[in-house]
Amino acid sequence: GAGVSQSPSNKVTEKGKDVELRCDPISGHTALYWYRQSLGQGLEFLIYFQGNSAPDKSGLPSDRFSAERTGGSVSTLTIQRTQQEDSAVYLCASSSRLAGGETQYFGPGTRLLVL
Amino acid sequence: QKEVEQDPGPLSVPEGAIVSLNCTYSNSAFQYFMWYRQYSRKGPELLMYTYSSGNKEDGRFTAQVDKSSKYISLFIRDSQPSDSATYLCAMKGTSGSRLTFGEGTQLTVNP
Repeated sequence: GAGVSQSPSNKVTEKGKDVELRCDPISGHTALYWYRQSLGQGLEFLIYFQGNSAPDKSGLPSDRFSAERTGGSVSTLTIQRTQQEDSAVYLCASSSRLAGGETQYFGPGTRLLVL
Repeated sequence: QKEVEQDPGPLSVPEGAIVSLNCTYSNSAFQYFMWYRQYSRKGPELLMYTYSSGNKEDGRFTAQVDKSSKYISLFIRDSQPSDSATYLCAMKGTSGSRLTFGEGTQLTVNP
């Protein structure tokens, strides 16, 4: 079946512009996560959605970052007024208690470059 | 200090070698321990998943957790060129779902 998909796969933008990154989780998965992967930093947790509960936003690095999950499925991560330090790979993952609970399935990521 | 420490490598071994990958951590609340494999320009995929201390074996892969030392390991036997990837350790506590990752170790298995 289809895995987690993300778009675009690559994004180049200019400093100060806003960007939107999209994640389509595995159908039926109730949990959705966003991570950021920078060189030498590993994966950094950003935000977590679980069903209709309030999202865990504790990993968002600044108020320029926000995320939505519409209809319990597709999620959009928005970065406003991008900075060069925002350049990274943004990874989305989804999981389901029915599918083993703790197993997070990752998408291929969006590679963001801020010039 | 990072909660999870992992030597980034790079690590280069000949085909057939036994590979040992390790992580240390500082948060005693971590109870679930995972190893992910990430090929270049791909997302991480789960390799091994263990709860609390002990060993778990799956084919050529063995995961070990020593909670008393806050140390986890992944062993790869009879390594193959197809094992060349970045290996990430990840862990979490009993509450919440967020994972804390190590930096990842880049492994190359040479034919």
